[in-house]
Amino acid sequence: DAGVIQSPRHEVTEMGQEVTLRCKPISGHDYLFWYRQTMMRGLELLIYFNNNVPIDDSGMPEDRFSAKMPNASFSTLKIQPSEPRDSAVYFCASSLALAGGELFFGEGSRLTVL
Amino acid sequence: GENVEQHPSTLSVQEGDSAVIKCTYSDSASNYFPWYKQELGKRPQLIIDIRSNVGEKKDQRIAVTLNKTAKHFSLHITETQPEDSAVYFCAASMTGGYQKVTFGTGTKLQVIP
Repeated sequence: DAGVIQSPRHEVTEMGQEVTLRCKPISGHDYLFWYRQTMMRGLELLIYFNNNVPIDDSGMPEDRFSAKMPNASFSTLKIQPSEPRDSAVYFCASSLALAGGELFFGEGSRLTVL
Repeated sequence: GENVEQHPSTLSVQEGDSAVIKCTYSDSASNYFPWYKQELGKRPQLIIDIRSNVGEKKDQRIAVTLNKTAKHFSLHITETQPEDSAVYFCAASMTGGYQKVTFGTGTKLQVIP
């Protein structure tokens, strides 16, 4: 398996624009997580899905953020409208249902909002 | 919810010395404690983990210890090498049911050649 695949790797956009980040989890993994990493806050869990169903979105900072998982092999994280404070590295991760919790991270999407 | 505190935030050691990173957790129900290593510009990757029915686990130069009573766990790296330089994250979660991993704030380890 190629691992968790994220796109784009880098995104530079202007404030107010819509940003869509994409993730393909490892085949067979039942859980998918979206994390945001910044120097100030470290790794923050934004939302996670189990079998394509959102389980906990309490980490989503505000209504500008939304996430979907239309099928087992694809998820998106959307920010609309984007703001400079959204600049961060966004990681997608997946894990097996009963594997003891190991998270397999993608390479991350580095977002810069000007 | 779970709260994980990690210390120190930065750590510099001479090559060959040992490094110790400490974490505390708040939820006594947590029973799974992984450690992730993140090299500069790379993704976090699991390097070792420990479950609550075990007090210590070793894998070559790295070891983790767990004190359930005190709710703290530590990462020990012996004979450090320059390639050990990275940010290390501790985490805590419960196995079974819905998994939610809470990470510490990270420790930037620098191994000086």
